[in-house]
Amino acid sequence: KNEVEQSPQNLTAQEGEFITINCSYSVGISALHWLQQHPGGGIVSLFMLSSGKKKHGRLIATINIQEKHSSLHITASHPRDSAVYICAVAGGSNYKLTFGKGTLLTVNP
Amino acid sequence: EAQVTQNPRYLITVTGKKLTVTCSQNMNHEYMSWYRQDPGLGLRQIYYSMNVEVTDKGDVPEGYKVSRKEKRNFPLILESPSPNQTSLYFCASSLGRGFNQPQHFGDGTRLSIL
Repeated sequence: KNEVEQSPQNLTAQEGEFITINCSYSVGISALHWLQQHPGGGIVSLFMLSSGKKKHGRLIATINIQEKHSSLHITASHPRDSAVYICAVAGGSNYKLTFGKGTLLTVNP
Repeated sequence: EAQVTQNPRYLITVTGKKLTVTCSQNMNHEYMSWYRQDPGLGLRQIYYSMNVEVTDKGDVPEGYKVSRKEKRNFPLILESPSPNQTSLYFCASSLGRGFNQPQHFGDGTRLSIL
């Protein structure tokens, strides 16, 4: 079974700061997802990665398959970025998703 | 509007009283899945379905049943709910094989079993 570790668990930043959230997994995967969940809200898919790097607005996601590691970066952070960010990995031969426990990001004005 | 719809959004019920949480998607997605989210444990997969009449267990299937008679619907059934099934539940869908496509989530169902 794949183990998914996220760091940090909690992160507090000032508006405008550059944010990095990390995700490591133990077994080779076919895809990695980054999800966002606002307090009391639903879950939104931010990125799905199988290699390289993706960018959407101020968000950048990278993955290093050899090192079994992914990072989510937020540039010029804003209070509306405050949310829980969740990493999830999909295995190669099955159709299950395994999730990290999430990183709670708080961006203060 | 493309969406995944769960009902009910909130439910308080008692131990042993059968309940069904419905999930419907309007995107013609093949893959659908149920997850529960608990403090300190994060999201865990309960059941998933690759297509009509094709379902399989996730990591925490005990105490749950599902069915996929139509492509758009994937209900979650608790035949005899117990307090340890109190949780926040999410349904999700995606195109094709779920693991290599973005997941679309419903708004969640908060279940309290007394």
